[in-house]
Amino acid sequence: DQQVKQNSPSLSVQEGRISILNCDYTNSMFDYFLWYKKYPAEGPTFLISISSIKDKNEDGRFTVFLNKSAKHLSLHIVPSQPGDSAVYFCAASPLGQKFYFGTGTSLTVIP
Amino acid sequence: DAGITQSPRHKVTETGTPVTLRCHQTENHRYMYWYRQDPGHGLRLIHYSYGVKDTDKGEVSDGYSVSRSKTEDFLLTLESATSSQTSVYFCAISGTDNEKLFFGSGTQLSVL
Repeated sequence: DQQVKQNSPSLSVQEGRISILNCDYTNSMFDYFLWYKKYPAEGPTFLISISSIKDKNEDGRFTVFLNKSAKHLSLHIVPSQPGDSAVYFCAASPLGQKFYFGTGTSLTVIP
Repeated sequence: DAGITQSPRHKVTETGTPVTLRCHQTENHRYMYWYRQDPGHGLRLIHYSYGVKDTDKGEVSDGYSVSRSKTEDFLLTLESATSSQTSVYFCAISGTDNEKLFFGSGTQLSVL
């Protein structure tokens, strides 16, 4: 049973606009959340993370929001750039233990 | 890039043959993981290790075994490969705080 879900397999956004990628989780023991970016034929690379004691974390153009009561997190990319086109995976973990990943969302940024 | 090397990068094998994939790290990290990536399933954990000779199962461990005799090497073995094990396999490592995974470049395995 998938404990981390990304319900949108794909997303297309115009360059310069905001990209919003969503992720839901079911396990209330998760207390650490991450986003990874993956290009074809490469391994996933870490993008940004957030601890359950926070509801927002920002790093440049990337912001992750966490809504614990809804068991929902989202990644905002502003402004979106063509180089952001990739597959994005969210992941969750009870800190210090295994990492569970979602099914991924393929983002296409249209120039 | 984190010092992670996966070998081989590509492999084609036949059903019923044994296959071993190797993950080698130069970071001296404690934790090592094997994931598989499949369309519609994302990344799923096969096995992981929290130290030399210390391993545990993940979500999809059936048909796979692992060994870690040295800190730097984590081997994934398919005892008798099946077509359902055709996938891209990723090794990942994490430091003592286990807050973040660093991934290798992957192994594309095709079982015919």
